[in-house]
This record gives sequence, structure tokens and C-alpha cells, in this order.
Amino acid sequence: KAGVTQTPRYLIKTRGQQVTLSCSPISGHRSVSWYQQTPGQGLQFLFEYFSETQRNKGNFPGRFSGRQFSNSRSEMNVSTLELGDSALYLCASSLRQRGSPTDTQYFGPGTRLTVL
Amino acid sequence: GQQLNQSPQSMFIQEGEDVSMNCTSSSIFNTWLWYKQEPGEGPVLLIALYKAGELTSNGRLTAQFGITRKDSFLNISASIPSDVGIYFCAGSGGSNYKLTFGKGTLLTVNP
Repeated sequence: KAGVTQTPRYLIKTRGQQVTLSCSPISGHRSVSWYQQTPGQGLQFLFEYFSETQRNKGNFPGRFSGRQFSNSRSEMNVSTLELGDSALYLCASSLRQRGSPTDTQYFGPGTRLTVL
Repeated sequence: GQQLNQSPQSMFIQEGEDVSMNCTSSSIFNTWLWYKQEPGEGPVLLIALYKAGELTSNGRLTAQFGITRKDSFLNISASIPSDVGIYFCAGSGGSNYKLTFGKGTLLTVNP
């Protein structure tokens, strides 16, 4: 079974621009979560999508948004980029089984975003 | 919010030595996960723990879910050079699927 895939792997943008990152979950997985990883803050939760709806949200400004499509693929958008948005953006997928409060998340390789 | 304290921050050991790292939380978790991350890659799941007191092994790796549900440890036995990387603990609690991560333990293995 193919793992989580993320595109692009690397991206360079300038301040003020916007960016869209894509994530394809493991086949059959319906939940996609996004995380930001930086040397200073570590791994921080952005949001989670399940059945095309945002189910959970972390403490990030509204410039960070996302969506999920009917095939469970997800995109994350960051508008008005700031230098501090430079980070590795990771997507993780999980089954999110009905009735189970816990689940295991599998990560993709990430998109390395550099904002100049 | 939930916080995870992971220790040690880094370890430098000789090949063949055993390694132990742990995480403690200020609140209860329902799931503990241990991941390993290598440069330029995403975290790879090593072990998942779902029940308090659970002890699970994966090859040379052993992890336990603490009885209080506020801590977990990971042991690596007979370390080898390819064990090098950053090890993260992560926990989730309640009805959401948000993972809270520790800051990571950087492991260096000297051949």
C-alpha cells in the first residue's frame, strides 16, 4: 500500500505571496492532519480534516487554511506569507475508525517551505 | 494546553549500547506514539500504545504506556549506526485526533 504523499517537496516563496500544499493520504484513510515543524517550536498541530470537514484546529492565524476533497486528498493554503512561515509542513493520515477515540497517524515526507 | 516533556534532548552513545528515553505529560493521554525522523523526511511510526500499562516491542525497540497515562518510555537495545535520528514521542487524548509532540531526542551512535 502506498504511503502518504506530499507535493511539492520543496518550495521557495517571497513574503506576501500565498502557497498551496497538497497531501494524498494512504488509500482508505479518511482523516488528514497537518503539522508545522520548525527548529524552535518543534511539531505543532495545524488542523485536521475528516469527510471534507475541518474537525480540529490548532492555534494558528487565519492565514492558514485547508480543505479536503471527496477522495480524502487535502490541500493546505497559507496566504500573505511571512518569514516565520518557513518550515517543514507535514501531513499525516489515519483511518479515524468509527467509535474509536484514538488512532494512529502516518506521516508523509513533508514539504519544505522557504519564505524569502 | 497539553505539554509533553521529552528527555533527554540528545544522546551520544557507542554502538551496541542500550538507550532509554521518556516523555511525561501534564495531562492524561489515551494514546502514546513513538516516531523516528531522519533528515529531510517525515516522522516514521515506530510503536503505538493504546492502553495504560501496555508494553510493546518492535524488534530492538520496546515502549511502555505508563500506568498513570501521563508518561511513556522507549528503549532501544544494542544500538546500531542506523538508529541515528530524532525520536519523538506523541500523545493524543479525548475525542480529538490532534497529536501533541515532545521536542525530540537526538540520538547519535558512534560506530
